[in-house]
Amino acid sequence: GNSVTQMEGPVTLSEEAFLTINCTYTATGYPSLFWYVQYPGEGLQLLLKATKADDKGSNKGFEATYRKETTSFHLEKGSVQVSDSAVYFCAGGSSGGYQKVTFGTGTKLQVIP
Amino acid sequence: DAGVTQSPTHLIKTRGQQVTLRCSPKSGHDTVSWYQQALGQGPQFIFQYYEEEERQRGNFPDRFSGHQFPNYSSELNVNALLLGDSALYLCASSLDVGNTDTQYFGPGTRLTVL
Repeated sequence: GNSVTQMEGPVTLSEEAFLTINCTYTATGYPSLFWYVQYPGEGLQLLLKATKADDKGSNKGFEATYRKETTSFHLEKGSVQVSDSAVYFCAGGSSGGYQKVTFGTGTKLQVIP
Repeated sequence: DAGVTQSPTHLIKTRGQQVTLRCSPKSGHDTVSWYQQALGQGPQFIFQYYEEEERQRGNFPDRFSGHQFPNYSSELNVNALLLGDSALYLCASSLDVGNTDTQYFGPGTRLTVL
């Protein structure tokens, strides 16, 4: 079955630092890939997605590029803010349809002023 | 436009009891998926409902069952609760169009089994 491996946390950064959270996936075919974010006390929110190889998803200053050759979908942001503190989940869809999503274990990010 | 809603927000049960959780999908969505998120872990897929039928299922025992109603809302039932069933239960909705698989999540129901 599909699997998603992401960088373990927690990650602690100073405000305005550069962020990278690594994610690699194993799947049959080339499913859509996602990053979800979970703020403290809230549900999962879709942050960005890419539906095919070489696609770049972007939102709120975050970016991730679907790299077929390395089966990766690393999340990056050039300058993090305190408000970005949350848990970030990398996830992959299913190539065969039916929309089942497989999640990584999550990476907790803490941004300090 | 109302997003995905779930009820109740929190629930406390004892071992052996049964529980029913409810979900209303985002307006216009016809597919509902349920996930279990243990503390400190990523969500695990339980099952998915489309056209009132269970379409796909993850590695969960038969104690976990569900239902989808004609208005696309859904219920998750768990029988014979175990301590290990304590988790955040998430409902996600989506629209079954082609191979689109973007899911929108509700805030979850926090289940505690004592």
